[in-house]
Amino acid sequence: GDSVTQMEGPVTLSEEAFLTINCTYTATGYPSLFWYVQYPGEGLQLLLKATKADDKGSNKGFEATYRKETTSFHLEKGSVQVSDSAVYFCALTGAGGTSYGKLTFGQGTILTVHP
Amino acid sequence: AAGVIQSPRHLIKEKRETATLKCYPIPRHDTVYWYQQGPGQDPQFLISFYEKMQSDKGSIPDRFSAQQFSDYHSELNMSSLELGDSALYFCASSLDWDKGATIYFGEGSWLTVV
Repeated sequence: GDSVTQMEGPVTLSEEAFLTINCTYTATGYPSLFWYVQYPGEGLQLLLKATKADDKGSNKGFEATYRKETTSFHLEKGSVQVSDSAVYFCALTGAGGTSYGKLTFGQGTILTVHP
Repeated sequence: AAGVIQSPRHLIKEKRETATLKCYPIPRHDTVYWYQQGPGQDPQFLISFYEKMQSDKGSIPDRFSAQQFSDYHSELNMSSLELGDSALYFCASSLDWDKGATIYFGEGSWLTVV
């Protein structure tokens, strides 16, 4: 079945540091890929998405490129802020006839940014 | 812009009781999804509805049932509650016809079973 693997966390950075959170996936067909963010005590918010190979999703300074050859969708940000502290989930859907919206999530990566 | 509305936001029930969660999708969205997120876990897909018909089913216990009504809102009914049902329950909505459509999540309903 489909699966998503994220780098093991938690990740702790100083403000303005460079962020990379690795995400790789296993799926049949051509899934759509997403990054969701969950701030403490809140729901899931879509951060960015990519629906086909080589697409780059970007939002709020975060970027991720859909790499089919390496089955990866790594999240990056050039300069993190304290307000970026949250849990980040990589997810996929739509692969191999799966009902779109039936998201398969990675285990989540806790990011803590210190001033 | 209108978002996915879930109610109640917090719910405390005793073992063996029944709970009902409600979800109001974004206007004009025709597909609703339910997810369960246990403490420290990633969200797990439970069930989805498209145009008021069940479209997909995941790891939903037999004690749970759900439906989508004519106004597109959805309800998740959970009976014979167990301690392990304590979790954050998310509802999400989208326009199913467009593969590239964004899936929007509500803020979730916290269920605590004591």
